[in-house]
Amino acid sequence: DTEVTQTPKHLVMGMTNKKSLKCEQHMGHRAMYWYKQKAKKPPELMFVYSYEKLSINESVPSRFSPECPNSSLLNLHLHALQPEDSALYLCASSQRDRVDTQYFGPGTRLTVL
Amino acid sequence: GDSVTQMEGPVTLSEEAFLTINCTYTATGYPSLFWYVQYPGEGLQLLLKATKADDKGSNKGFEATYRKETTSFHLEKGSVQVSDSAVYFCALGEGGANSKLTFGKGITLSVRP
Repeated sequence: DTEVTQTPKHLVMGMTNKKSLKCEQHMGHRAMYWYKQKAKKPPELMFVYSYEKLSINESVPSRFSPECPNSSLLNLHLHALQPEDSALYLCASSQRDRVDTQYFGPGTRLTVL
Repeated sequence: GDSVTQMEGPVTLSEEAFLTINCTYTATGYPSLFWYVQYPGEGLQLLLKATKADDKGSNKGFEATYRKETTSFHLEKGSVQVSDSAVYFCALGEGGANSKLTFGKGITLSVRP
């Protein structure tokens, strides 16, 4: 089973709202990732968690706050977003934080009004 | 730094045509190479991969060979189907503490009946 699940599938929020995106995998992977993807562009890495510790933060604004409660779950907390943050947010996981294959979830389509 | 260059798109083919999508890379070490596919409205799916020179990855009729001498990983399929219409991303991954995937820009393939 190579499934990564993400909820919700779609999210519409105002600029003053607080919301969270969730990601889950049960493959025993120890590295998890958040990506942002704009239309017709490749995914851009935001955060990497390795063994539940944040190992990479690609200079992401503080209005995005990641959390890894355990080895299977990854959250992305959203607060005071801007319309330009509207995008597809993808979660991925891999066995280790090396060059192992990353398996992606279906994404959350976020619209910020 | 690492980079991946994909041929410019979009590409439109008739069903049963032969497909080649070019991908070349620049890397400092010995990367693994990947092709990911993204169907409309979905996340990325791993299509195939190769981890060392001369390896051939294959899946669903698609093939790509890791060519170190030409730093290439071209994707081929002998006979495309309408269901192959999607965006294709070439990517490379190098190991190390801050390992991450480097994606090409992606190319949109449309297959007409």
